[in-house]
Amino acid sequence: EVQLVESGGVVVHPGGSLRLSCAASGFTFDDYAMHWVRQAPGKGLEWVSLISWDGRTTYYTDSVKGRFTISRDNTRNSLYLQMKSLRPEDTAFYYCTKDIYSDGFYFDSWGQGTLVTVSS
Amino acid sequence: QLVVTQSPSVSASLGASVKLTCTLSSGHRTYAIAWHQQQTEKGPRYLMKINSDGSHSKGDGIPDRFSGSSSGAERSLTISSLQSEDEADYYCLAWDTDMWVFGGGTKLTVL
Repeated sequence: EVQLVESGGVVVHPGGSLRLSCAASGFTFDDYAMHWVRQAPGKGLEWVSLISWDGRTTYYTDSVKGRFTISRDNTRNSLYLQMKSLRPEDTAFYYCTKDIYSDGFYFDSWGQGTLVTVSS
Repeated sequence: QLVVTQSPSVSASLGASVKLTCTLSSGHRTYAIAWHQQQTEKGPRYLMKINSDGSHSKGDGIPDRFSGSSSGAERSLTISSLQSEDEADYYCLAWDTDMWVFGGGTKLTVL
């Protein structure tokens, strides 16, 4: 059974930095691309970033380009999202998702999410 | 630009059927989409992918009551024999080479 467990969500001040982690199990992690998706409280889903199976290809939504960095450690079956220059509008639940292919197609598994709050 | 449009809300009675639709933007009518369900206070769950020809592939454990179809730029999710646990937000996801786009979501109320 695929399991994705996010962690690292906390309250952080505007302008601050944070790293989210996602521990994956139940599948061969380095066979698949991975994504981060977020959801502001009471709002809809927003795709944030993708990383290919080998980490060589990454994509970001425009609002986080230059501020967020997605990475992975296939030896630890882990996905990360380094977030800097955080803004109040980055406040959201952040979900880790597993793609169905190695280079990015669509995702078929979700974690339970971790809450990031950006507030002074 | 890839845009996905969904109706904000729909309601239907317990035991009835309901059809949720998402519409792809002009120039993207041949794209596949994926439906995801989010029950209150829970993380989302993948339901199915729907291709432009109407063929679809469901996620593990998704009941037969859930089915998909396609017509032109519309990709639809039909839920039959509605149950109380079907009350949720439903999101349509489309994707291109370097971007993934969600619709605004449809809130399904089971009466």
